Amino acid sequence: NAGVTQTPKFQVLKTGQSMTLQCAQDMNHEYMSWYRQDPGMGLRLIHYSVGAGITDQGEVPNGYNVSRSTTEDFPLRLLSAAPSQTSVYFCASLSTAMNTEAFFGQGTRLTVV
Amino acid sequence: KNQVEQSPQSLIILEGKNCTLQCNYTVSPFSNLRWYKQDTGRGPVSLTIMTFSENTKSNGRYTATLDADTKQSSLHITASQLSDSASYICVVRLKAAGNKLTFGGGTRVLVKP
Repeated sequence: NAGVTQTPKFQVLKTGQSMTLQCAQDMNHEYMSWYRQDPGMGLRLIHYSVGAGITDQGEVPNGYNVSRSTTEDFPLRLLSAAPSQTSVYFCASLSTAMNTEAFFGQGTRLTVV
Repeated sequence: KNQVEQSPQSLIILEGKNCTLQCNYTVSPFSNLRWYKQDTGRGPVSLTIMTFSENTKSNGRYTATLDADTKQSSLHITASQLSDSASYICVVRLKAAGNKLTFGGGTRVLVKP
């Protein structure tokens, strides 16, 4: 039972490069989301999805794209990396059943130089 | 302004001592409030869950309390161990709004021998 698998664990990008962070879950959860975590701040929601084919913006969506073609996968794309996107990124999945817990990936530490 | 505020931001305690972390929230109506533990370099993992009608919940040496009237929760760690060194994050799950989670900034706890 893998839970939430997030790759890569570390990444260094040059300004202007693009990349995709992968996230997969095997718990058949409807809800998946991406967060960024900056020093001294709480996790901030980038994008989320309530099911395959449905995505929506969180509080800090600019510079990121997502898609949800299957229930299992929810990749996050950086279109043109900027130093302000240097952060630790977490993917999470959550069942819509009441009072269930969110499961998080291991995180991706991204540095944009 | 963050809708979930935690205090203190960080604290250092000696092994074997107790400590209490605070969480004040303004978001409502909420489905539940969870405390997560986040070890360095890892994703958050759920410790306890409190629903609107619950006042206290224990998980081993961790005890969470909730006062829905004052919108405050606390996490008490008893007889701290070195492995308790981590960040503790208070997370509120909204009743509506697509199951969005609102995160506090976390309290970083360091247990010293």
